[in-house]
Formats: sequence, C-alpha cells, structure tokens
Amino acid sequence: KNEVEQSPQNLTAQEGEFITINCSYSVGISALHWLQQHPGGGIVSLFMLSSGKKKHGRLIATINIQEKHSSLHITASHPRDSAVYICASAGQNFVFGPGTRLSVLP
Amino acid sequence: ETGVTQTPRHLVMGMTNKKSLKCEQHLGHNAMYWYKQSAKKPLELMFVYNFKEQTENNSVPSRFSPECPNSSHLFLHLHTLQPEDSALYLCASSQVTHSKGTPYGYTFGSGTRLTVV
Repeated sequence: KNEVEQSPQNLTAQEGEFITINCSYSVGISALHWLQQHPGGGIVSLFMLSSGKKKHGRLIATINIQEKHSSLHITASHPRDSAVYICASAGQNFVFGPGTRLSVLP
Repeated sequence: ETGVTQTPRHLVMGMTNKKSLKCEQHLGHNAMYWYKQSAKKPLELMFVYNFKEQTENNSVPSRFSPECPNSSHLFLHLHTLQPEDSALYLCASSQVTHSKGTPYGYTFGSGTRLTVV
C-alpha cells in the first residue's frame, strides 16, 4: 500500500522568502501531482511530474524517482501563495499526502 | 471556474433530510470522482466512475449513493446522514484511455461544504 508523507505540516514564511515543501512516497509510481487548496476549499492542480523538474512562474517542482521523493519550491513568496499544498501519487487513483499549510506574511 | 462545477457550495441538512450534491464538467472528460475531505484528514476517495460505470466504491456507507447519468454529470445523493459526515465534498474529473487506465488532466471542482445538524 502506497503511503504519502509531507513535511513540514505547517509553514509560516515572510513575504519574499524561498519556500520548500517535501513529499515522499513508499512505492514506485508513474507520476506525482502537486495540488494547491485555497482557504475556500477549491483545489487547483499545479504540476504532474514523472521525472526531472517542471517550472511554472515562481513555482518549481522536482522529483527523484529512485529516492521516491519530490519537492515543491516557491520563489519570492507572496501572501497570495498562502494555501494548503498537497502531493498525490498517481496510479489508477490518487493517494494523497496530508498537506502542508503555508502562511506567507506580508 | 476550473471547468468542473459543483452545486450547492454550502449545504446544511438535518439527519433525517434527503439532499443531493451535483457535479458537472465541461471538459469532455470520461471519468468522474467524489472525494471527501474531513477536518485535518487527507482527501479520501469515495467513488469513481469511468465511462459512466462505477469502478470503485471505497467502503462508503450506503447513506451516500452516487449517480452518473452521463459522462458530464455526477450526483451524490445523501440520506440519514450523521454529524460526522460533515465535511467538504469534492468532485473531480479526468480523462482515461480505458477503465483501468491512469487518469490525466485531473481537475477538481470547488467543493460543497456540508454540515449535518
């Protein structure tokens, strides 16, 4: 059974800081998703990764398939980045991590 | 809007009520999902419909009854719920190449926040 863990559980940063959220999973997967859940509950898919690195604006996601580990980085963080960030391993269905609650203070 | 629309956004219901949650997707996807998110717990998969056929039911109590009349619409019928069923219910859709295939283009709706009193 695949288990997905994230760290840290909660993270508070000052505006402008570089942020890293980590995700690890226990079995081999075909891809991993990073999701962003806003305070109202809506979820947005940020990235789907199967290898290497992807970049979208100030967000960067990396994955190391051999080490079963992925990271989400936010450069020049902003208060609007405050949200819960969830990683999910993708197979036929997702297995979700518990989420990392990020608060970026102005 | 993400292309997946859920209604209502908020719902308060008594334990003896019957209500339904609706999800509609305009993305041409062929798979739809219901998820439950309780406070301080990861998202839990409830039901999966691929090509309008239910392919997964993750030990969900019978007081939750899904319905998928076509590939664009998904309902979750609720009856005699318990206060512990209060949660955010999220719908999602994706594209799959076959019923056991890996989904792609995964898109979530905004959710229905349900409170059972």
